[in-house]
Amino acid sequence: AQKVTQAQTEISVVEKEDVTLDCVYETRDTTYYLFWYKQPPSGELVFLIRRNSFDEQNEISGRYSWNFQKSTSSFNFTITASQVVDSAVYFCALSEAVWGGGSEKLVFGKGMKLTVNP
Amino acid sequence: DARVTQTPRHKVTEMGQEVTMRCQPILGHNTVFWYRQTMMQGLELLAYFRNRAPLDDSGMPKDRFSAEMPDATLATLKIQPSEPRDSAVYFCASGRSKREGDTGELFFGEGSRLTVL
Repeated sequence: AQKVTQAQTEISVVEKEDVTLDCVYETRDTTYYLFWYKQPPSGELVFLIRRNSFDEQNEISGRYSWNFQKSTSSFNFTITASQVVDSAVYFCALSEAVWGGGSEKLVFGKGMKLTVNP
Repeated sequence: DARVTQTPRHKVTEMGQEVTMRCQPILGHNTVFWYRQTMMQGLELLAYFRNRAPLDDSGMPKDRFSAEMPDATLATLKIQPSEPRDSAVYFCASGRSKREGDTGELFFGEGSRLTVL
């Protein structure tokens, strides 16, 4: 069975600090996708990234970066120079990868609430 | 901007009443998911459809919940009778079979917040 663990439930930082959100997953699938979603106080779920299990390259997008390590089954997310607008609940998620790709059901972690204080 | 549309956004009802939540997936998306979010359980998959056919509804209490896709533009989630433990935010999400350049993401609606008294 698939499982996603976000050990941290809540983090509070001061603006401009860097913060890393941990994600550890379990799966028996040899190919799979990993995701991060953001849920701001308004409640909607916003897609941040999808990573294929074949691709262990780190990814950077602006102040966001992701570190995927298959050996430790981790997919950690770092926000550099955090801002108040980054305050949200962040979810890590896992899905199987099927031939042709596409959208498959996600198994979510319990989420991590990030508060960035001015 | 294409969006997943859910109605109602908020619903307060009394125990025993029927509740129907509706979702309009993004045009062209052939996969629709229903998730439930609670503080205790987090985000749980209730059911999902591909090309309107149910693929998995194992997360759904069968005795009181039902999910359908009457057509490609409408998905419904019905609870009858509702109970206080059903109070949660219900999210609909849609996605599609892979196309060139697709990220494979699920697009989520804003959710329907249900309170059962």
